[in-house]
Amino acid sequence: GAGVSQSPSNKVTEKGKDVELRCDPISGHTALYWYRQSLGQGLEFLIYFQGNSAPDKSGLPSDRFSAERTGGSVSTLTIQRTQQEDSAVYLCASSLARGGGADGYTFGSGTRLTVV
Amino acid sequence: EDKVVQSPLSLVVHEGDTVTLNCSYEVTNFRSLLWYKQEKKAPTFLFMLTSSGIEKKSGRLSSILDKKELFSILNITATQTGDSAVYLCAVLYYGNNRLAFGKGNQVVVIP
Repeated sequence: GAGVSQSPSNKVTEKGKDVELRCDPISGHTALYWYRQSLGQGLEFLIYFQGNSAPDKSGLPSDRFSAERTGGSVSTLTIQRTQQEDSAVYLCASSLARGGGADGYTFGSGTRLTVV
Repeated sequence: EDKVVQSPLSLVVHEGDTVTLNCSYEVTNFRSLLWYKQEKKAPTFLFMLTSSGIEKKSGRLSSILDKKELFSILNITATQTGDSAVYLCAVLYYGNNRLAFGKGNQVVVIP
């Protein structure tokens, strides 16, 4: 596709339920990132995929968070047993080259998750 | 602890004013500094700065990096209401290729 696509754009879930957020990066982009943005805060790194290498999971806040990337393309971020503090906008970004290249990273429009 | 600090956190200006946004950083393994504009949800890329003292320019926006004093400036001249947004500064690390973001500069331009 022309840009990074994320779905759903909005998700309201009850505390304790599991949610899956999807990111479809730009075709051919080898690097994929997940970030989280809480109200009034900067973007917080969650996880990074680069090609076929093992992902950098060092930003995941707890073991309730996991992510996978199938076939080097689509990625799914899963949050189990959601808590209210998980409420945030979850942003995905992709880039063609390691380090973002000359054009930096392209972000999707995000998924706004609200846990009630 | 690595830090990316932006100032001012928010400001309100009138159309036609000039805005200067600051981003200072204290990080190890610095590779580049990036600026993004965030209007609704998706940050859009503005500039990537790697070398000191070389100004990057795009229309009314310009930016420069000082690697000795560890800061960058984003300037917006002749501001328009469409410049209202949060401007995000991020540092790219060597090695893990991670972006570390500041909290952003919220700019409101009033007619």
